[in-house]
Amino acid sequence: GDSVTQMEGPVTLSEEAFLTINCTYTATGYPSLFWYVQYPGEGLQLLLKATKADDKGSNKGFEATYRKETTSFHLEKGSVQVSDSAVYFCALSDPGANSKLTFGKGITLSVRP
Amino acid sequence: DVKVTQSSRYLVKRTGEKVFLECVQDMDHENMFWYRQDPGLGLRLIYFSYDVKMKEKGDIPEGYSVSREKKERFSLILESASTNQTSMYLCASSFRGYGSYEQYFGPGTRLTVT
Repeated sequence: GDSVTQMEGPVTLSEEAFLTINCTYTATGYPSLFWYVQYPGEGLQLLLKATKADDKGSNKGFEATYRKETTSFHLEKGSVQVSDSAVYFCALSDPGANSKLTFGKGITLSVRP
Repeated sequence: DVKVTQSSRYLVKRTGEKVFLECVQDMDHENMFWYRQDPGLGLRLIYFSYDVKMKEKGDIPEGYSVSREKKERFSLILESASTNQTSMYLCASSFRGYGSYEQYFGPGTRLTVT
């Protein structure tokens, strides 16, 4: 079945540091890939997505590129802020799966001033 | 503005009680989902509904049931709550179709069973 593997956390960075959060996936078809973010005390919200190979999703300074050859969708940001402190989830959805998502375990990012 | 609301942010129940968690969306979405979120396990799908009165089991349906009598409302029922059902419960909704549509999440209900 489908699966998503995220790097182990938590991650603690200083403000303005470069961020990379690794995500790899296993899927039978050609899934769409997502990054969701959960700020403290809130539900998840979509951060960015990519629907086909080589697509780059971007939002709020975050980027991720759909790499079919390495089955990866790593999240990057050039300069993190304290307000980026949150839990980040990588997820995939197969086109025929009626938008059902398979999530990774999530990783907690803490950014210190 | 898109909205998914959940009936309670925090809930404390006793073992053996019947528990109802309610979710309402105002986006006319066909799909609705219930997840539970536990540290180190991420989000796991409990049940999914793609239309009124239609439901499908997710990855961890044991101990839960659901009800969808109206398009905008999806209820999660714990028939006899147990301590291992202490968790954060998240509801989500999305459009239905062949493509992969964004899911919109509610704020969550933190349930404690004592």
